[in-house]
Amino acid sequence: GQQVMQIPQYQHVQEGEDFTTYCNSSTTLSNIQWYKQRPGGHPVFLIQLVKSGEVKKQKRLTFQFGEAKKNSSLHITATQTTDVGTYFCAGPFGYGQNFVFGPGTRLSVLP
Amino acid sequence: GAVVSQHPSWVICKSGTSVKIECRSLDFQATTMFWYRQFPKQSLMLMATSNEGSKATYEQGVEKDKFLINHASLTLSTLTVTSAHPEDSSFYICSAAPGQSQPQHFGDGTRLSIL
Repeated sequence: GQQVMQIPQYQHVQEGEDFTTYCNSSTTLSNIQWYKQRPGGHPVFLIQLVKSGEVKKQKRLTFQFGEAKKNSSLHITATQTTDVGTYFCAGPFGYGQNFVFGPGTRLSVLP
Repeated sequence: GAVVSQHPSWVICKSGTSVKIECRSLDFQATTMFWYRQFPKQSLMLMATSNEGSKATYEQGVEKDKFLINHASLTLSTLTVTSAHPEDSSFYICSAAPGQSQPQHFGDGTRLSIL
């Protein structure tokens, strides 16, 4: 079954509104990574979370790793049109600890 | 830093043709590179993990004879789609990481269209 799930699948917001995407893993993760892919572009690494309960901020973006290290969230405050894209979380699974990407949350920001 | 170059960016060819895609890490050494396939509006599907100096590790359901991977050096991995057919048309993207559990740096991807 799917190892990494993300909700929502799509989100349309008005510019200036907040946005949150949630990532859930079927197992405890040693770490989790977040990536952003703009339309027509390639995924770009945003951040890596390692510690239980960790919270990291990048300007208007706030990333959180759950206490049980099975879920994570990305919150964007006061969205801008430049935030448009698909946000993926990824976690290491299996013997090789290769990163498995979630299905992504596609964010649209209406000006 | 951490730039990954992938080319070609776009290929259109006839059915039965073999297509080679190159992935290079320009400013760091990558023991491991990854090859993904991405369908429109979908997530990244890992095809195989390319290890320098050894055989690639393929994900379940990916035909190793169809998708040949060579990782000849710490900065270059190639994916060859052999005898490509229309169903192989997709967006192929590579990534490289300087170490295990390190952030992946992606190439720009290759859009493959088989007529």
